[in-house]
Amino acid sequence: DAGVTQSPTHLIKTRGQHVTLRCSPISGHKSVSWYQQVLGQGPQFIFQYYEKEERGRGNFPDRFSARQFPNYSSELNVNALLLGDSALYLCASSLEGGGTGANVLTFGAGSRLTVL
Amino acid sequence: RKEVEQDPGPFNVPEGATVAFNCTYSNSASQSFFWYRQDCRKEPKLLMSVYSSGNEDGRFTAQLNRASQYISLLIRDSKLSDSATYLCVKKAAGNKLTFGGGTRVLVKP
Repeated sequence: DAGVTQSPTHLIKTRGQHVTLRCSPISGHKSVSWYQQVLGQGPQFIFQYYEKEERGRGNFPDRFSARQFPNYSSELNVNALLLGDSALYLCASSLEGGGTGANVLTFGAGSRLTVL
Repeated sequence: RKEVEQDPGPFNVPEGATVAFNCTYSNSASQSFFWYRQDCRKEPKLLMSVYSSGNEDGRFTAQLNRASQYISLLIRDSKLSDSATYLCVKKAAGNKLTFGGGTRVLVKP
């Protein structure tokens, strides 16, 4: 069974450009979350989508946006890239939207973005 | 103060030894806690959930102390393959995970 797949795996952009990152969740999973991991730090929550609706947003500027499609795949968009946006962007999928209990999140391998 | 704090390490551990480290958290509204493992330049992978009663998974033992707001992970009989960064994670409402900065463990022959 395919796990969480993300594309592209690596990309290089320059300041001011725009980037779109893509994520396909595990088959049957309806929730997708995005995390940013800067080198040497733990991942930070950006967004969560469940059944195509935004369920949560982290402390990130409006340059960051996302959406979830009817097939539950998701895109993360970042506009006006800054050097500080260089990071590993992780997508995680889960069966449900959250609530009580240990709703396990499974991460994809990530998209490594370098902004020059 | 960060919501989840960890000693970054590294913890240098002889093969076969036992290593233990903690993670402290704030905001006790959190519901669930986990340890994730992350290998260099790879994605985090769930190691184990953490329960107040303490739980074991093979050589790994996790403990949650809600009164003192800390979580611990103990690794017995360390293997070279246990070398990784261990991320302490709390899960609040929905699927928002809050990660600590990670504790790096290096197991040496």
